[in-house]
Amino acid sequence: QVQLVESGGGVVQPGSSLRLSCVTSGFTLHTYAMDWVRQAPGKGLEWVAFIWYDGNKKKYADSVRGRFTISKDDSKNTLYLEMSSLRAEDTAVYYCARDLYSSMDYFDSWGQGTLVTVSS
Amino acid sequence: EIVLTQSPGTLSLSPGERATLSCRASQSISTYLAWYQQKPGQAPRLLIYDASNRATGIPARFSGSGSGTDFTLTISSLEPEDFAIYYCQQRSSWITFGQGTRLEIK
Repeated sequence: QVQLVESGGGVVQPGSSLRLSCVTSGFTLHTYAMDWVRQAPGKGLEWVAFIWYDGNKKKYADSVRGRFTISKDDSKNTLYLEMSSLRAEDTAVYYCARDLYSSMDYFDSWGQGTLVTVSS
Repeated sequence: EIVLTQSPGTLSLSPGERATLSCRASQSISTYLAWYQQKPGQAPRLLIYDASNRATGIPARFSGSGSGTDFTLTISSLEPEDFAIYYCQQRSSWITFGQGTRLEIK
């Protein structure tokens, strides 16, 4: 069955960097578009970033553009989110999610999430 | 940015009752809308996509309707496991989510 497992979260200081990973299984990563979605504590869902199935198209929310980079390694079945210049408002659970139609659309599978806390 | 406004913020009902949740878009999004269910400590689960299509494995008591700017998620007869937070999401222009409706046991 489809599984997405995130890792890499933790407590970091403002201005620092962090890389999140999402190991996928049960499907072929290079045939699906993927996204990162975050949820601040006690808040709603916020879409963060998207990567096309072939990795050639990437999109970002305004709140993270220029600071976050989405990428993937199909040979390792892994999706990444490189985060830099972290701010307190980036504190959230970060979920990786698979797109239903292989474009930037709906999310039919989600990981369990990894918590990123940005605090001094 | 397309803003999705969900109502009510909280809905208090009893098992067996019918639940009607609303999602209104700030501009027309055709039928490019999904609904998700999220329980405490869990990831969201896709329920409905393209406004009215049930996702794989979703029980028939969940149904979606609407087009343009007004959408509804209906749960025909609430089961104990249905009490959760529900989010709508649009894909017409980028991706945005509604703020959520909390469905609680009365």
